[in-house]
Amino acid sequence: DAKTTQPNSMESNEEEPVHLPCNHSTISGTDYIHWYRQLPSQGPEYVIHGLTSNVNNRMASLAIAEDRKSSTLILHRATLRDAAVYYCILGLTGNQFYFGTGTSLTVIP
Amino acid sequence: SQTIHQWPATLVQPVGSPLSLECTVEGTSNPNLYWYRQAAGRGLQLLFYSVGIGQISSEVPQNLSASRPQDRQFILSSKKLLLSDSGFYLCAWNPGGFHTEAFFGQGTRLTVV
Repeated sequence: DAKTTQPNSMESNEEEPVHLPCNHSTISGTDYIHWYRQLPSQGPEYVIHGLTSNVNNRMASLAIAEDRKSSTLILHRATLRDAAVYYCILGLTGNQFYFGTGTSLTVIP
Repeated sequence: SQTIHQWPATLVQPVGSPLSLECTVEGTSNPNLYWYRQAAGRGLQLLFYSVGIGQISSEVPQNLSASRPQDRQFILSSKKLLLSDSGFYLCAWNPGGFHTEAFFGQGTRLTVV
């Protein structure tokens, strides 16, 4: 299965932008890049996804490298409610979604 | 609107006892359904997924099985629980296809004692 690599943890000050990186060097041409986040003892929550072009929604922006081997989730102004584990995953052919260990984001007041 | 129901929220079971966790989806038809497990402090491990009634794909050999008796019902079972089956179990669905968003239930915290 195609894998993603993320830093184990990151910190950000409240109200500052956060850039969460993800490497997916074995991505195939039809794999979508998805981001989810998970609060303790809750199910993951969808954040954003994309294929080739950069994507924006009310929660975040997704910047995808031209070769698609990496992507960055951008939270424009971190709030305390954004503290969570962020997962970068590939939506693979065959309908599987494989999660890695994610990045634990700490937001400092 | 679509909703996903997963129960129970917490469960404590003795080793060797059977298990049945149920997940149902409302407001959609023919969803892809998934069971994940999350051990303490770990990422999510895909256990089973289903693209239709009676169609189950197993990702990891284990003490668990899954069934999909109805279009929007997904059941996770075990005949005899092991201590290693403890964890946070999550059901998820998506409309179909790897280009679509997945929606997760609130999870079941299973402790095998």
